[in-house]
Amino acid sequence: QVQLVESGGGVVQPGRSLRLSCGASGFTFSSYAMHWVRQAPGKGLEWLALVSYDGNNKYYTDSVKGRFTISRDNSKDTLHLRMDSLRPEDTAVYFCVRDATHLVSYFEYWGQGTLVTVSS
Amino acid sequence: QSVLKQPPSVSAAPGQKVTISCSGTSSNIANNYVSWYQQLPGAAPKLLIYESNKRPSWIPDRFSGSKSGTSATLGITGLQAGDEALYYCATWDSSLSVIFGGGTKLTVL
Repeated sequence: QVQLVESGGGVVQPGRSLRLSCGASGFTFSSYAMHWVRQAPGKGLEWLALVSYDGNNKYYTDSVKGRFTISRDNSKDTLHLRMDSLRPEDTAVYFCVRDATHLVSYFEYWGQGTLVTVSS
Repeated sequence: QSVLKQPPSVSAAPGQKVTISCSGTSSNIANNYVSWYQQLPGAAPKLLIYESNKRPSWIPDRFSGSKSGTSATLGITGLQAGDEALYYCATWDSSLSVIFGGGTKLTVL
């Protein structure tokens, strides 16, 4: 079965960086687009970034453009999110999500999430 | 503030039917499929409806979706206590981003 396991969350000071990872199993990772979605405490879902199946196409929401970088390693079935210049408002649970196709359609499978807390 | 507008909350008694609306614009819903997600307390979201009106095989037919113009609707019939959750709509936007609705909390009375 499809499994997505996020890691790398934790407490980080404002202005610092953090890299999240998502290990995928149970499907052909290199055939699907992948996303990062976050949820601040008590708030709704916010889509952050998308990377196409081959890593050649990337899209970001405006609030993280220039600060966050999505990437994938198809040889290791792993998705990453590099987060720079972190702000307190980046505090959230970060979900790794598999798309249903190779580019963008809908969020078919979700990981359990990893909590990132930005605080001094 | 979310681009897609959902009612903050809806409620109905067990066994009844409820609908949740999702209002967008010509830049998003009008020209794209809508998907819906259910988030039970303390859990990750789960896909409910895709391509506006299709259900994954593991979702019971009590759940349905529709779209007309710039709006979409999620319907749930035969309400059960286990349906109490947050529900989100989502779609692609012409700004080259995925957008979510603000979420609707369903209470089963």
